[in-house]
Amino acid sequence: EAGVAQSPRYKIIEKRQSVAFWCNPISGHATLYWYQQILGQGPKLLIQFQNNGVVDDSQLPKDRFSAERLKGVDSTLKIQPAKLEDSAVYLCASSPGASGDSYEQYFGPGTRLTVT
Amino acid sequence: GQQLNQSPQSMFIQEGEDVSMNCTSSSIFNTWLWYKQDPGEGPVLLIALYKAGELTSNGRLTAQFGITRKDSFLNISASIPSDVGIYFCAGLGINTGTASKLTFGTGTRLQVTL
Repeated sequence: EAGVAQSPRYKIIEKRQSVAFWCNPISGHATLYWYQQILGQGPKLLIQFQNNGVVDDSQLPKDRFSAERLKGVDSTLKIQPAKLEDSAVYLCASSPGASGDSYEQYFGPGTRLTVT
Repeated sequence: GQQLNQSPQSMFIQEGEDVSMNCTSSSIFNTWLWYKQDPGEGPVLLIALYKAGELTSNGRLTAQFGITRKDSFLNISASIPSDVGIYFCAGLGINTGTASKLTFGTGTRLQVTL
């Protein structure tokens, strides 16, 4: 079974520029998550989708971050404009439960973003 | 956001030794997950615990869901060099409505020497 795919793996941009990350979850997984992991810390949830709807975006900085999952499969996360403190690894994860009944989340390799 | 406290923060052990680490929270959780993260990779799920008091094994790994629902423990027996990495606990809270929002711990960095 193919895992969660993410691209790009690495991205370097200047502050105030825009950037987008892409995620393709495990086939059949209804729930998709985006996490931000700052160096030395555990992942922090940014947004959770169930199919193509947003379930939780309470920790997403909505003035600069946006995410979509239009067809309930793959997803994009965008930052516009980027700040220095956005430098982090952005992880995508998916889980099978359509109704939240499976809590086992499987992670992609992440995109390492460096903002200069 | 809240993070769970893990201890120790880091540890150096010799190959063949057993390892113990724990995760504590001020809040109750009804699911605990343990992940391992290698450099440059995403976290990989090791063990999932769904019931207070539950003890679950996966090869040389054993994890327990604390009776109070506020802690969990992970043990690794007979460590080998490939056990090197960062181990994260993650808890799923009660009454989260959407059910599957995880809170991650601060991580335990494990180094294994020959």
